[in-house]
Amino acid sequence: AQKVTQAQTEISVVEKEDVTLDCVYETRDTTYYLFWYKQPPSGELVFLIRRNSFDEQNEISGRYSWNFQKSTSSFNFTITASQVVDSAVYFCALSEGGTGGFKTIFGAGTRLFVKA
Amino acid sequence: KAGVTQTPRYLIKTRGQQVTLSCSPISGHRSVSWYQQTPGQGLQFLFEYFSETQRNKGNFPGRFSGRQFSNSRSEMNVSTLELGDSALYLCASSIGLAGSSDTQYFGPGTRLTVL
Repeated sequence: AQKVTQAQTEISVVEKEDVTLDCVYETRDTTYYLFWYKQPPSGELVFLIRRNSFDEQNEISGRYSWNFQKSTSSFNFTITASQVVDSAVYFCALSEGGTGGFKTIFGAGTRLFVKA
Repeated sequence: KAGVTQTPRYLIKTRGQQVTLSCSPISGHRSVSWYQQTPGQGLQFLFEYFSETQRNKGNFPGRFSGRQFSNSRSEMNVSTLELGDSALYLCASSIGLAGSSDTQYFGPGTRLTVL
């Protein structure tokens, strides 16, 4: 069965600190997709990144980087030199297909507070 | 390109009433998925519509229903509202079926309060 675990409920850092948000997933499929979304106080989920199960290359986008490791079923997200605007809830999500169609499930989210 | 739009943004209803929420996907997107977000249960998948057909459904009672129109706009309906239905309802659109290689893009949500 699908499962996404974000063990960190809340993280608080001071501006300019680096922070890593953990995501561990469970799936029986060999083809699946992993996502990270950001939910600022306004409520709208903002897409950050998508990874398919065959692409284990790490990715860097500005201050954001993602580390995908199939061996540990983890897809961790690091923010370098955090800023106050990074304060939000971050969700990791897993999508996999099946006879019933694709399903996407989300982790519980990690609330990040970045203090000035 | 305009993003996903949802109307209304806020709703207050009383128990027993019914409510209809609307979602307009990004132009060219054929899939619309609905999610319920609550502090206790997090983000839960309600259902997905693609080409006017429900393709997938989460574990919600039959009081929750939806439909999709030929222009890909979607509505979801909740009948006989209960206090526990108070939540942020998020709509997401994608070009193809959600969960495939296509990314879902979310709207701002409709915050429903049931009194």
